[in-house]
Amino acid sequence: SAVISQKPSRDICQRGTSLTIQCQVDSQVTMMFWYRQQPGQSLTLIATANQGSEATYESGFVIDKFPISRPNLTFSTLTVSNMSPEDSSIYLCSARTGANVLTFGAGSRLTVL
Amino acid sequence: GIQVEQSPPDLILQEGANSTLRCNFSDSVNNLQWFHQNPWGQLINLFYIPSGTKQNGRLSATTVATERYSLLYISSSQTTDSGVYFCAVGVSGGFKTIFGAGTRLFVKA
Repeated sequence: SAVISQKPSRDICQRGTSLTIQCQVDSQVTMMFWYRQQPGQSLTLIATANQGSEATYESGFVIDKFPISRPNLTFSTLTVSNMSPEDSSIYLCSARTGANVLTFGAGSRLTVL
Repeated sequence: GIQVEQSPPDLILQEGANSTLRCNFSDSVNNLQWFHQNPWGQLINLFYIPSGTKQNGRLSATTVATERYSLLYISSSQTTDSGVYFCAVGVSGGFKTIFGAGTRLFVKA
């Protein structure tokens, strides 16, 4: 199955700053998905990223707060903008790879002080 | 949107015991997966099972799509089975995957 790499794996950030998370897939994929997992909670879909078009955001998530880029079929970035402590979460990148299986990266654990 | 309900929310087992985790969903699905999230946060795909039955070692899963539920069986549990088990479904005709709230499992030695 495909391998999805994310970085950074973890970071501690100051309130008001922004952080960009990178996601690399070792094969070409049509769609990439970004999820957020708040402490002790399940995964919530932030947006779906397709190459060459603007990302599609789920209810409660907006482009100004979570801008996403998808420059090619193997790479995507998610930026968490103007962070507050409420943004402290694990952010996970995923894609459907061989046989329609949803595969995840290891996640990026953000702590905002 | 589709609702995904998992039960039980929490489960404590003695090592060696068996257990059944359940996932109910409110609409037709075109895919269903069971994941295990280990204590380090890594999500591991256990089964891709939109219908039918699969087995992998001590784990097996059954999905009855017409009745909108799936079951994950863990036999002879081990301490390394501890973590959170998520059911995730994709709605028919769509491409998004929605996660249930999870079952938190702790296996005691």
